[in-house]
Amino acid sequence: DAKTTQPTSMDCAEGRAANLPCNHSTISGNEYVYWYRQIHSQGPQYIIHGLKNNETNEMASLIITEDRKSSTLILPHATLRDTAVYYCIVPYTGANSKLTFGKGITLSVRP
Amino acid sequence: DAGVIQSPRHEVTEMGQEVTLRCKPISGHNSLFWYRQTMMRGLELLIYFNNNVPIDDSGMPEDRFSAKMPNASFSTLKIQPSEPRDSAVYFCASSRGERVYSNQPQHFGDGTRLSIL
Repeated sequence: DAKTTQPTSMDCAEGRAANLPCNHSTISGNEYVYWYRQIHSQGPQYIIHGLKNNETNEMASLIITEDRKSSTLILPHATLRDTAVYYCIVPYTGANSKLTFGKGITLSVRP
Repeated sequence: DAGVIQSPRHEVTEMGQEVTLRCKPISGHNSLFWYRQTMMRGLELLIYFNNNVPIDDSGMPEDRFSAKMPNASFSTLKIQPSEPRDSAVYFCASSRGERVYSNQPQHFGDGTRLSIL
C-alpha cells in the first residue's frame, strides 16, 4: 500500500465541519484513496473513496489535491455520533492487494 | 438490505478448545475477507476469498487457523486448538470487487469478540 500519514487525533465542536487530513505522497496514478471509520466496538464502516476528482456522498466529502499527494475528508456538520477512528487507506494495485489499516486519526466531537 | 452477518457475537472458551466463527456475506458480493483486531497489532487481514476460492492466506498466523467458504453465502474461520493469544475481535467483510483495489468498498460485520481463557 502507498504509505499514508495522518495526525494522531483531533477534535471539533458539534455542528461544525470536521476536516481530516491525510498525506499519501507516494500514491501511484491508478491508486484510489479510501476512507473508513470505526466507532467504538463496531466494525469498520466505509465512508467514501476517490481517484482524482472530489467526491461527495451522504456521509462526507473527499477533497483530493491536484497532485494527489494529499486529501481531506470533510464531515460537514459533525455530530457526537461521528466520534470514531478514521482511516485513510491507499491500497496498491498489484496482485493480492490488501486494505492495510494503520492507526488512523481519532476524531472527538465535543458538545 | 442485510449487511454482513457474523456469529456468534461473543465467544468465551478455554484454551485447547476448537472455535468456529461464522460469516454470511452480503448477497451478490463475490469477495470475502477475514480480519483480526487487537490492541497491539491493530486490524490485520487474515485471508480473503474471491468467488469462494482462497486468494491470499498469507495473514493466517499459523496452522491452527483455517478458513473455508463452501458457497457464496457462508464462510467459517476455525481455530484448533485455541490459545489465549488468539483472543481478539474477528471481523468478516465482503465486497463486489474481484480485488481489493477494484474500486469497490468493503462492508464489515459487527465482529466476534473472542476470549480464550
